[in-house]
Amino acid sequence: ETGVTQTPRHLVMGMTNKKSLKCEQHLGHNAMYWYKQSAKKPLELMFVYSLEERVENNSVPSRFSPECPNSSHLFLHLHTLQPEDSALYLCASSQDLGLPEAFFGQGTRLTVV
Amino acid sequence: QKEVEQNSGPLSVPEGAIASLNCTYSDRGSQSFFWYRQYSGKSPELIMSIYSNGDKEDGRFTAQLNKASQYVSLLIRDSQPSDSATYLCAVNSMNRDDKIIFGKGTRLHILP
Repeated sequence: ETGVTQTPRHLVMGMTNKKSLKCEQHLGHNAMYWYKQSAKKPLELMFVYSLEERVENNSVPSRFSPECPNSSHLFLHLHTLQPEDSALYLCASSQDLGLPEAFFGQGTRLTVV
Repeated sequence: QKEVEQNSGPLSVPEGAIASLNCTYSDRGSQSFFWYRQYSGKSPELIMSIYSNGDKEDGRFTAQLNKASQYVSLLIRDSQPSDSATYLCAVNSMNRDDKIIFGKGTRLHILP
């Protein structure tokens, strides 16, 4: 248990569906991240939030929409995804942006059919 | 040039031997370096961090950093089957506003 919880753990969705991934941390961290992990590729940073403000959007397609309502919660809203978006989506948090040791959640395994 | 490079492996090491994992990085201004372990189907887990040149030891793990050569390594002594996993090298990138950049990872297999 790392203190970062993601739900759901597995998700299968059609290309026309809308779904959301949820991440919750109770570590008192100020920075939260979404990463995408595809087979045989490095972890790709998607979004970074610091104190609930988005500080980075790494050229992610608009079909991925993050939301950070407070410092403990982070969402990733998904709509009209493509099969190539199938991957493991990992949420992470760190104390601050300047202290980049990150603690990861267990991830959501997403399959787009 | 890839920002963080690792040999994807698999690296096979007999039980009890020393496993040596290597990583190079391109951003000369990087200050923080991390090793994460990821078991199959699980999330990455931070196992070592190193910030200055030289060696840092923690139990069976030793991280080595050489900033001049832009090289960081992880040594695992007395390798155990439970060490079989993918090891991810991560570097904070001054060029990327201090964000953590990951390598593809090296798959390590400890042979019983």
